[in-house]
Amino acid sequence: QITLRESGPALVKPTQTLTLTCSFSGFFLTTTGAGVAWLRQPPGKALQWLATIHWDDDKGFNPSLANRLTITKDTAKNQVVLTMTNMDPVDTGTYFCVHAWSYYYENSGYHTWFDPWGQGTLVTVSS
Amino acid sequence: EIVLTQSPGTLSLSPGQSATLSCRASQRVTSFFLAWYQQKPGQAPRLLISGASSRAAGIPDRFSGSGSGTDFTLTISRLEPEDFAVYYCQQYAQSVTFGGGTKVE
Repeated sequence: QITLRESGPALVKPTQTLTLTCSFSGFFLTTTGAGVAWLRQPPGKALQWLATIHWDDDKGFNPSLANRLTITKDTAKNQVVLTMTNMDPVDTGTYFCVHAWSYYYENSGYHTWFDPWGQGTLVTVSS
Repeated sequence: EIVLTQSPGTLSLSPGQSATLSCRASQRVTSFFLAWYQQKPGQAPRLLISGASSRAAGIPDRFSGSGSGTDFTLTISRLEPEDFAVYYCQQYAQSVTFGGGTKVE
């Protein structure tokens, strides 16, 4: 059974850097095809994909946020860490860590959908 | 970027009725790279459908997905009380984007 759990600060100040950790079990990020993604959801709004890291350390980022995001994996600890710089109140929302399923094609890279999801962690950006 | 537009925004139905949810893409979604998720209040989303029409494990057969190209549909036949939720479509043909959601109330 795959499970994922997010951890990190509930409150960050504007301009600070957010660091979130995803701890997972039930799969290994060393297994061919495995991946972990981060997504978020502002209160009352739609889902937004942030970033994905794959078993081979290939990474994908939302183009609109790529310059603020870093994603890394620690395979020994079964953890994935997301950092987002220069936080703003509009970044307030629930951040989800998710297991990523993918097809890979040489000419177009990874094609990824998400299941299962962690419960999410609410991050508020406020001074 | 592929923009997904879901309609209607809200669908008001009764248990036992059928629901038809639309997801329209601004560009062709190749290889049926489209998924559907269900989200209930206070919960994380749950995968219903991937590959436009393949039900995820444990999803009842009253949920079905169809479509290709730029037009996709999620159909829920015989709505159960637990099906009243928000539904999102997601494309993974080019990067990843989500629709704005349809609330079934």
